[in-house]
Amino acid sequence: DAKTTQPPSMDCAEGRAANLPCNHSTISGNEYVYWYRQIHSQGPQYIIHGLKNNETNEMASLIITEDRKSSTLILPHATLRDTAVYYCIVRVSNTGNQFYFGTGTSLTVIP
Amino acid sequence: EAGVTQFPSHSVIEKGQTVTLRCDPISGHDNLYWYRRVMGKEIKFLLHFVKESKQDESGMPNNRFLAERTGGTYSTLKVQPAELEDSGVYFCASSPLFGQGSADTQYFGPGTRLTVL
Repeated sequence: DAKTTQPPSMDCAEGRAANLPCNHSTISGNEYVYWYRQIHSQGPQYIIHGLKNNETNEMASLIITEDRKSSTLILPHATLRDTAVYYCIVRVSNTGNQFYFGTGTSLTVIP
Repeated sequence: EAGVTQFPSHSVIEKGQTVTLRCDPISGHDNLYWYRRVMGKEIKFLLHFVKESKQDESGMPNNRFLAERTGGTYSTLKVQPAELEDSGVYFCASSPLFGQGSADTQYFGPGTRLTVL
């Protein structure tokens, strides 16, 4: 169901940048890329989204390749509180507005 | 601004009983979604309301699940009768109306953990 592929797990040293990749090779022209994270058993938390251009907010940066077939979420200075499962989501626009979460990437920030 | 709230946070019931979960979306959000994660599985979509209308209920597992959103504000999800496999975490999300080709940023509540014994 998910239109994205992510590595199952990654580690990152505290204070370093965490770069989380996502492949979405079948993305359509008007489909956005969304990133969410789930910390422990809390509800998914919105991080950032983008269409074509790179985006930055107070939480992260989103780099989307020119062909839009992949993207990278960058947490510039990872902290222990960033340990979570990160989901890259491309909503399938012709099947309603539901999000397909997939299995995500479990990021562990190491002290 | 208050976020999406869900009640109760936890519910433990016996098989065969009825449980009603409630979701209060962010004020002014016309889109309301229900998702759930059952043990060891991915978060899965259940249904989508636009105001009081069901836009998409393709993810509802069976007719033991009934969702309502009377008046287009809060929503309830009733499970009757509950079965063991209904155990999991039920999430609600909301978003404002958006136009064709626009983003739909969904904001999630903390979830209701349902345990059916």
